[in-house]
Amino acid sequence: SQKIEQNSEALNIQEGKTATLTCNYTNYSPAYLQWYRQDPGRGPVFLLLIRENEKEKRKERLKVTFDTTLKQSLFHITASQPADSATYLCALSSNDYKLSFGAGTTVTVRA
Amino acid sequence: GAGVSQSPSNKVTEKGKDVELRCDPISGHTALYWYRQSLGQGLEFLIYFQGNSAPDKSGLPSDRFSAERTGGSVSTLTIQRTQQEDSAVYLCASSLEISYNEQFFGPGTRLTVL
Repeated sequence: SQKIEQNSEALNIQEGKTATLTCNYTNYSPAYLQWYRQDPGRGPVFLLLIRENEKEKRKERLKVTFDTTLKQSLFHITASQPADSATYLCALSSNDYKLSFGAGTTVTVRA
Repeated sequence: GAGVSQSPSNKVTEKGKDVELRCDPISGHTALYWYRQSLGQGLEFLIYFQGNSAPDKSGLPSDRFSAERTGGSVSTLTIQRTQQEDSAVYLCASSLEISYNEQFFGPGTRLTVL
């Protein structure tokens, strides 16, 4: 069956360091992958989209890589800030409409 | 401009009652999606609309769940004869169209079935 796995534990890092989150998938051939941020009591907010033929995408302090051979995406937050503390969700789609989400990784950035 | 709005924000109901959840997408967005998020779990896709049409209803958990969209805008998700396992946060999202687009999520409706 299809499975999407993110870092199973919460990630605690010091302000200024780089946070690296992992999204692994099995039995899936995604056309694209998205990363969302979710704060408590709120809906997810879109951050980045990367297509299957792209290796890397950047947006400000965020960087996403997509390796379809390893079936893995890495999400990096550089120069992390306490305001980056949130849950980060990985989502995959093999077609136009249905997004399948991982359970998320909670990041806490200590000042 | 206004984002996606959902109402009510919280709903507490008794087992066996029917509930109706509402979603107002971003104006001009043709695609609308419903998800369910249970505690500690990822988002579970329920159904999507392209305009007023719902081509794929296979994500709905049971025949107690139904959804409709009118005028290419507002959507309602109805759960009949609610059960305790229906307790979750129901999230609605919209996107400009059905094609590799970011989805804009509403704040969700927290449903508690007693």
